Amino acid sequence: SQQGEEDPQALSIQEGENATMNCSYKTSINNLQWYRQNSGRGLVHLILIRSNEREKHSGRLRVTLDTSKKSSSLLITASRAADTASYFCATDGSNYQLIWGAGTKLIIKP
Amino acid sequence: KAGVTQTPRYLIKTRGQQVTLSCSPISGHRSVSWYQQTPGQGLQFLFEYFSETQRNKGNFPGRFSGRQFSNSRSEMNVSTLELGDSALYLCASSLARGPSYNEQFFGPGTRLTVL
Repeated sequence: SQQGEEDPQALSIQEGENATMNCSYKTSINNLQWYRQNSGRGLVHLILIRSNEREKHSGRLRVTLDTSKKSSSLLITASRAADTASYFCATDGSNYQLIWGAGTKLIIKP
Repeated sequence: KAGVTQTPRYLIKTRGQQVTLSCSPISGHRSVSWYQQTPGQGLQFLFEYFSETQRNKGNFPGRFSGRQFSNSRSEMNVSTLELGDSALYLCASSLARGPSYNEQFFGPGTRLTVL
């Protein structure tokens, strides 16, 4: 069963714009991870944020975590064509396993 | 450093057959996890191996099994294949045990088609 649910399911924006996707989950977590998947590079880890952290940055990526609302958001600034991909959040399952959301499909239009 | 490699990349089998997929983790990584990805169910955890021992298992039938060797390479086996087993099977490795605590490095996957 899926713990995280991404929103929106699909997003199409112009190159250079910012993209925001959200992840909501049901039960308390220790960590939340974001991954990107495209046909060229496969599934790639973006950021891991721990439950005691509120915000984390990596290059053009910013992840926030609100444990009171059981939600996280991924912001990609100044989008590029290469950012076209599916983005997944993944949270703790039992015994350290990862439980994945359904993903957000992001399309960057030139 | 070489990334995670999976073989074969593509496989076509018929119902009732069995299949073995192979995964070589990044050098030095001791944890290997396997995932199934389908359009309907998304990404689902199959199992994790660490130090040659299965540490946890997802909600899959016993037809799905795996093992890990002393060099951390891992194999997964699916017996008595069903049409619903058609999927992309992904292997991921990490330095330490526990996928939810550690960055996972994924291989390109094996695309299995069951006819």
